[in-house]
Amino acid sequence: DAKTTQPNSMESNEEEPVHLPCNHSTISGTDYIHWYRQLPSQGPEYVIHGLTSNVNNRMASLAIAEDRKSSTLILHRATLRDAAVYYCILRGSISNFGNEKLTFGTGTRLTIIP
Amino acid sequence: DTGVSQDPRHKITKRGQNVTFRCDPISEHNRLYWYRQTLGQGPEFLTYFQNEAQLEKSRLLSDRFSAERPKGSFSTLEIQRTEQGDSAMYLCASSLSGASLSNNEQFFGPGTRLTVL
Repeated sequence: DAKTTQPNSMESNEEEPVHLPCNHSTISGTDYIHWYRQLPSQGPEYVIHGLTSNVNNRMASLAIAEDRKSSTLILHRATLRDAAVYYCILRGSISNFGNEKLTFGTGTRLTIIP
Repeated sequence: DTGVSQDPRHKITKRGQNVTFRCDPISEHNRLYWYRQTLGQGPEFLTYFQNEAQLEKSRLLSDRFSAERPKGSFSTLEIQRTEQGDSAMYLCASSLSGASLSNNEQFFGPGTRLTVL
């Protein structure tokens, strides 16, 4: 599996934007970039995913570099409820056997300062 | 609540005992996954089912571990002869296979925390 690299931890002030980086220099052309987050004492939850183009949803935005070797998860206005571990995950097409599972790294622990 | 549920939430056992965990997925989801998470690490894949068929098992799933999904609904994960190294959070997730080739979002339960003394 292609590997992702994320900072171990980041801090941000409440109500400010947060940019969480992820490096994936060995990404293959068919790998999608997924983000999940894990709030304290909970299971992970899906945040967003993309292939080449930037993506927006109600939770966050995903900015993907043109060469696809890195991406950034953007929380536009962080709240205390966004304090969590954020995981950047590469995943091949679901149509191919073996791509069902999620391969988590250690993620980035985001702390929100009130 | 119509999310993924797991039972029990916490289990303390002595080394050598057998334990069984249950996962109830979201009702219409045909895929069910088990992951294990140790402190400070991300979840690690153990196995997954499509309906009642177990389609993939990680090499982490030693012969002391067995998972079943007999009717394609709930699943059980049994650990025989537990060891202290089995202490972890065991997470279950479910998803619905569909037309999307890019994503079938996995919905996770709250996990079962196992402590082996």
